[in-house]
Amino acid sequence: KAGVTQTPRYLIKTRGQQVTLSCSPISGHRSVSWYQQTPGQGLQFLFEYFSETQRNKGNFPGRFSGRQFSNSRSEMNVSTLELGDSALYLCASSLWHKLNTEAFFGQGTRLTVV
Amino acid sequence: GQQVMQIPQYQHVQEGEDFTTYCNSSTTLSNIQWYKQRPGGHPVFLIQLVKSGEVKKQKRLTFQFGEAKKNSSLHITATQTTDVGTYFCAGSGLDTGNQFYFGTGTSLTVIP
Repeated sequence: KAGVTQTPRYLIKTRGQQVTLSCSPISGHRSVSWYQQTPGQGLQFLFEYFSETQRNKGNFPGRFSGRQFSNSRSEMNVSTLELGDSALYLCASSLWHKLNTEAFFGQGTRLTVV
Repeated sequence: GQQVMQIPQYQHVQEGEDFTTYCNSSTTLSNIQWYKQRPGGHPVFLIQLVKSGEVKKQKRLTFQFGEAKKNSSLHITATQTTDVGTYFCAGSGLDTGNQFYFGTGTSLTVIP
């Protein structure tokens, strides 16, 4: 069974640009969550999607948005990039959006904003 | 809002010594999960605890969930170099909208 796939693996963008990251969950998984990981802040929850609907949202500005498609693939978009957005962006897929489910993480997309 | 803190932030141990990381929540949790992230890797699920006072073991790793469901610990007996990485707890509860919020992590270095 293929794992969670995130593309691209690495990305360099300029301040003010926008970026779209992609996540393909494990086949059959319907829940996708996104996290931002930085050395100083750890793993910060961005949002979770289940059945094409955003179920939960973390405390990030509106520049961070996402969506989920009918095949459960998810994208997140960051507009008007800032230097502080440089981070490892991880997505995690779960079978279900309820509590008792293990999350499987992708390798992440490392975004550098210059 | 939901706060999940972990201590210590860093721990260096000699190979063979024991290691413990503690996870504390400001509110009661419904579940707690533990993950391990190797350097340069991504978090990998280790275990989930649900019941008050629950204790689970995986070989040299012992996981505990506090009676009040506000804290948890991970204890590694006789550390090995393969234990190197960052250990995260992730708690969820009604206050988090049932979304898992990750602790700050404990980075373990094992000195051979």
